[in-house]
Amino acid sequence: EAGVTQFPSHSVIEKGQTVTLRCDPISGHDNLYWYRRVMGKEIKFLLHFVKESKQDESGMPNNRFLAERTGGTYSTLKVQPAELEDSGVYFCASSQLGQGAYGYTFGSGTRLTVV
Amino acid sequence: RKEVEQDPGPFNVPEGATVAFNCTYSNSASQSFFWYRQDCRKEPKLLMSVYSSGNEDGRFTAQLNRASQYISLLIRDSKLSDSATYLCVVSNSGGYQKVTFGIGTKLQVIP
Repeated sequence: EAGVTQFPSHSVIEKGQTVTLRCDPISGHDNLYWYRRVMGKEIKFLLHFVKESKQDESGMPNNRFLAERTGGTYSTLKVQPAELEDSGVYFCASSQLGQGAYGYTFGSGTRLTVV
Repeated sequence: RKEVEQDPGPFNVPEGATVAFNCTYSNSASQSFFWYRQDCRKEPKLLMSVYSSGNEDGRFTAQLNRASQYISLLIRDSKLSDSATYLCVVSNSGGYQKVTFGIGTKLQVIP
């Protein structure tokens, strides 16, 4: 079974540019979560999709961040325009409906550096 | 106050030693508890869920004390391969939605 796939694995962009991160969950996993780790801080929740619907987006930092999940399959997280404080590792996790955190599988993350 | 507090370490222990990590959480309504392991520059991976009755998986034992809002992880007979960061993770929704991570405790097992 293929795991959670994220790309790119690394991205270096200039302040003010736009970056789009992608997450492909495990097939059949209706729950999809985005988390972020800023250097020296805890991993923080960003948002949660159930299929194509946003269940909880309370962790999204501001309106420069836009997440979508077309057709309930893969998800994208766009940052526009990027700021220096957006640098960090963005993790995606997926799980089956009804499992939540008991069945989390994380992707290997996208390391974003804004210069 | 942080929702989940952990000592970031590092804990440097010799091979074969027993080491214990602790974690406290601030929300008394928290329902589900986990320990995750994260290797350097890798993704977090679930090590074990934590239950009030305590649970054991080989050399690993996890305990939950709801009254003190305290979670522990005990590793016996440490191996070099146990070197990693151990993340305490708590959910306020029965684990079915988002979770909150602690900063993680770094363990280095020395030959």
